Amino acid sequence: GAVVSQHPSWVICKSGTSVKIECRSLDFQATTMFWYRQFPKQSLMLMATSNEGSKATYEQGVEKDKFLINHASLTLSTLTVTSAHPEDSSFYICSGRGGVDEQFFGPGTRLTVL
Amino acid sequence: EDKVVQSPLSLVVHEGDTVTLNCSYEVTNFRSLLWYKQEKKAPTFLFMLTSSGIEKKSGRLSSILDKKELFSILNITATQTGDSAVYLCAVGHYKLSFGAGTTVTVRA
Repeated sequence: GAVVSQHPSWVICKSGTSVKIECRSLDFQATTMFWYRQFPKQSLMLMATSNEGSKATYEQGVEKDKFLINHASLTLSTLTVTSAHPEDSSFYICSGRGGVDEQFFGPGTRLTVL
Repeated sequence: EDKVVQSPLSLVVHEGDTVTLNCSYEVTNFRSLLWYKQEKKAPTFLFMLTSSGIEKKSGRLSSILDKKELFSILNITATQTGDSAVYLCAVGHYKLSFGAGTTVTVRA
């Protein structure tokens, strides 16, 4: 149980384009989903908390207009990186909140911006 | 600002050895401490600890929390090459703060 999927697993795009990443909880309802980014050899940095049916809460320093988050249903949250630049290249991971504090992570999306 | 410090940053052991990983924390809102294993992709859940002094075990892995001294340890006994991974400690209340991780390499 507690499976989270992400799509795509890997994406390459040109600078200036937008990229959408989907995160789905497959066998549980996630009223809350979290979006993280991870740079090579670094830990996970929380970007935003996404609650179903309401606006996402962004961590300090994360531009909400650049990283658009939509959590339209209990099983789907999307992250859109708008006008992507090479410095946005990273590993993006979502998680769904299962129990009180347990988070179950998706397999991640590797974004490369050329 | 929440702080989660893991040590050592990395270690190399041989199959059959025992490893002990440390995680210390200073957070404003504590409810639980979680351990994750990360291989090539996203982290997989190992343990969640909320009470001091109660050891959690899963096969060769075990973990314990000390809420007075604000730390936790993760033990892996009889290590195997498949245990090679980054082990992440996360602490929080609703939102999690992650440590930098400990990279464990198990050589055959």
